[in-house]
Amino acid sequence: NAGVTQTPKFQVLKTGQSMTLQCAQDMNHEYMSWYRQDPGMGLRLIHYSVGAGITDQGEVPNGYNVSRSTTEDFPLRLLSAAPSQTSVYFCASSLWGLADNEQFFGPGTRLTVL
Amino acid sequence: QQQVKQSPQSLIVQKGGISIINCAYENTAFDYFPWYQQFPGKGPALLIAIRPDVSEKKEGRFTISFNKSAKQFSLHIMDSQPGDSATYFCAASNTGGFKTIFGAGTRLFVKA
Repeated sequence: NAGVTQTPKFQVLKTGQSMTLQCAQDMNHEYMSWYRQDPGMGLRLIHYSVGAGITDQGEVPNGYNVSRSTTEDFPLRLLSAAPSQTSVYFCASSLWGLADNEQFFGPGTRLTVL
Repeated sequence: QQQVKQSPQSLIVQKGGISIINCAYENTAFDYFPWYQQFPGKGPALLIAIRPDVSEKKEGRFTISFNKSAKQFSLHIMDSQPGDSATYFCAASNTGGFKTIFGAGTRLFVKA
């Protein structure tokens, strides 16, 4: 049981480049989400999904796209990277609809946009 | 728009002391208040959580105190240890957890 896995661990992009951050979970969780972590800002929700084929925006969705074709995978796409997207990105998953909705986080991807 | 305000930003405590981190929320629809602990280079992990029908929850050295009327909750770490040095985030969400709002985080350093 690997939990939540993220690839890559580190990435450097140039402004305007595109890339996809991968996230996978093997706990059969319906709910998956992407956060970005910036100093002094805590964790801010980018996009989330409550099941395959269903996604919605969080607090800071601009510049990011997501899709959910399977229960296991929830990739985050940056179409045209900007320096403001330099951050640490965390993927998380949880069961939903339950009283205790603990979120399980991946190890993170540190992204630098030059 | 920060719906969950957390303080202090950083905290230094002597080994054996009590660490206290405070959070305040605005949205009365929130009904689940977790605390997450994050070590450097790792993702956050759930530490302890409370629902607003109780005023206090204790798990080992960690206690959440909850004041529904004031819309405030706090984390107390008793007998703080160097291994507790980490960043702590409070959070709030609705049942179902569609959107969890996190505080800005508190960096705790426990001096040996």
